[in-house]
Amino acid sequence: DTGVSQDPRHKITKRGQNVTFRCDPISEHNRLYWYRQTLGQGPEFLTYFQNEAQLEKSRLLSDRFSAERPKGSFSTLEIQRTEQGDSAMYLCASSLEGGGAEAFFGQGTRLTVV
Amino acid sequence: AQSVTQLGSHVSVSEGALVLLRCNYSSSVPPYLFWYVQYPNQGLQLLLKYTTGATLVKGINGFEAEFKKSETSFHLTKPSAHMSDAAEYFCAVTPTGANSKLTFGKGITLSVRP
Repeated sequence: DTGVSQDPRHKITKRGQNVTFRCDPISEHNRLYWYRQTLGQGPEFLTYFQNEAQLEKSRLLSDRFSAERPKGSFSTLEIQRTEQGDSAMYLCASSLEGGGAEAFFGQGTRLTVV
Repeated sequence: AQSVTQLGSHVSVSEGALVLLRCNYSSSVPPYLFWYVQYPNQGLQLLLKYTTGATLVKGINGFEAEFKKSETSFHLTKPSAHMSDAAEYFCAVTPTGANSKLTFGKGITLSVRP
């Protein structure tokens, strides 16, 4: 297994367009997380899945954001009607179940909204 | 709610000098504690973590950290800095128990002078 992979690595979009990002976790990991990181800040939690169930969503996740993990494997994060404030690095991580389990991060998708 | 404070945004040391990166947390009960490193254009990588047991934990690349409950701290140290240690370092916490959502500090950029 090569780790967590995210696609695309970079995305430039015009304001108002919809974008979708994909995350492929480590295959045996049943937990998958999405974080957002802006310049000069640490990653901020957006949402997480255990298998296909979305267990928690941050208040940061407005109704323009939606995430899915349809078969408990890969996940997608969609942003509708993008705004310039959505420009950030979107990070995906996966882990085994259990407190203190190490989260393995992908390299992220850098979104620029122009 | 949990929070993490990393004072200062940038630390500069000479090669061979001691590295000390500070981290303090706020939590109603002691959380699980993590240090992650992020090299340019790469994902976050776990350096070390504390969950239970010995309060001095050793990680990769010669780093170690000590959990001090009385000081609500988890400072990261390395006796002798190497040029390859230049990166951004993030302290993070999760609640004890099953929820492994990470709360990150803002991060500290470490520069190493020749």
